[in-house]
Amino acid sequence: QVQLQESGPGLVKPSETLSLTCTVSGASIRGYYWNWIRQPPGKGLEWIGYIYNSGNTNYNPSLKSRVTISVDTSKNRFSLKLSSVTAADTAVYYCARPVAATKLDPFDIWGQGTMVTVSS
Amino acid sequence: QSALTQPRSVSGSPGQSVAISCTGTSSDVGGYNYVSWYQQHPGKAPKLMIYDVNKRPSGVPDRFSGSKSGNTASLTISGLQAEDEADYYCCSYAGSYTLIFGGGTKLTVL
Repeated sequence: QVQLQESGPGLVKPSETLSLTCTVSGASIRGYYWNWIRQPPGKGLEWIGYIYNSGNTNYNPSLKSRVTISVDTSKNRFSLKLSSVTAADTAVYYCARPVAATKLDPFDIWGQGTMVTVSS
Repeated sequence: QSALTQPRSVSGSPGQSVAISCTGTSSDVGGYNYVSWYQQHPGKAPKLMIYDVNKRPSGVPDRFSGSKSGNTASLTISGLQAEDEADYYCCSYAGSYTLIFGGGTKLTVL
């Protein structure tokens, strides 16, 4: 079955760039909207953005100036970079895939999530 | 983009029914039939419970149902069970290939 696994540093310093990778197993990364979603401690979910078909991206307008999502099809994985981080970016970061290849959502496959803390 | 509005908490006794509302605007909930609902237990990833307003994925009990009226969507859980105690989040398409989530509702089964 399809599985997603997030990986990356658990601690990032303020003003630096947060970098995470989501490795996809059990399916090709081609042809779906691959998403990043985050959840600050004790708070709700926030959609960050997606990459589709190896290049088409779209981001949450509130994060757009700081977010880059890219894909490495040779390694079947996609990545998130969030620049100029502050404590407000401390969150569990999830990668997720929707139920159908042609749809942006809903998400039936999620990674387990990875906690990223922004602190000096 | 402000988060969709959900009640912070709801509660009900086993066997009862509860409804969780999700209020947005005509630019998101009211403008599209693309509202989904997720259940999240502590320390776990969200689980899809309802999509496209009122469709249930395979394996989700029919005790869970969704509806929408105007700018407000609702998730109804009937025949409450202890395992339904969790946080619930709505999510809506918001145009221009963007999504918006609700702030979340904590369901307590008394």
